[in-house]
Amino acid sequence: EAEVAQSPRYKITEKSQAVAFWCDPISGHATLYWYRQILGQGPELLVQFQDESVVDDSQLPKDRFSAERLKGVDSTLKIQPAELGDSAMYLCASSPGGSGFYGYTFGSGTRLTVV
Amino acid sequence: KNQVEQSPQSLIILEGKNCTLQCNYTVSPFSNLRWYKQDTGRGPVSLTIMTFSENTKSNGRYTATLDADTKQSSLHITASQLSDSASYICVVSAGYGGSQGNLIFGKGTKLSVKP
Repeated sequence: EAEVAQSPRYKITEKSQAVAFWCDPISGHATLYWYRQILGQGPELLVQFQDESVVDDSQLPKDRFSAERLKGVDSTLKIQPAELGDSAMYLCASSPGGSGFYGYTFGSGTRLTVV
Repeated sequence: KNQVEQSPQSLIILEGKNCTLQCNYTVSPFSNLRWYKQDTGRGPVSLTIMTFSENTKSNGRYTATLDADTKQSSLHITASQLSDSASYICVVSAGYGGSQGNLIFGKGTKLSVKP
């Protein structure tokens, strides 16, 4: 069964350091999403890509977060500098097309701890 | 404002017992509703997806119902197993099929199955 790959699974970083997460969606999925999930909460959308274009980054803290999907396939989410409040699970998801009807598949996530 | 509310927040049951989780939503326009199971430290995994015209959908011991008139959904778990211990997240998709709608996540119900 096709999966969304994410790495690393776990990351511990010091405050003010830079950190990056990688996501490889299911082959052929045009839409890619990055979510942040704080413990005990539901995921919150950070950024949505359609192919290589950003279609929604309204909730992305752009002063410290950046995301790219240069070739419309895999994607990188970066935080610089990391803050204590960034400790969370970062989930990547992909879908074949528009989100209205098509299924989403989530990756296993990257658990970030900022110390 | 589009919202998804789940109840209870947490639930403890004995192995072998049944349980029902609730999801109420105020989302417009409604596209579909999904139930996800999220094991601790893992990404959400889809259990069921239901569109406006579907009332019931089953996936093994999981049965989801949808009442589009009252905007309520439930997830019934039959003969619970220890492996059912997880968070169950209700997700409603806003938008029309094929369009770039939004996913609205509930905060989840944390289920613990005890031996």
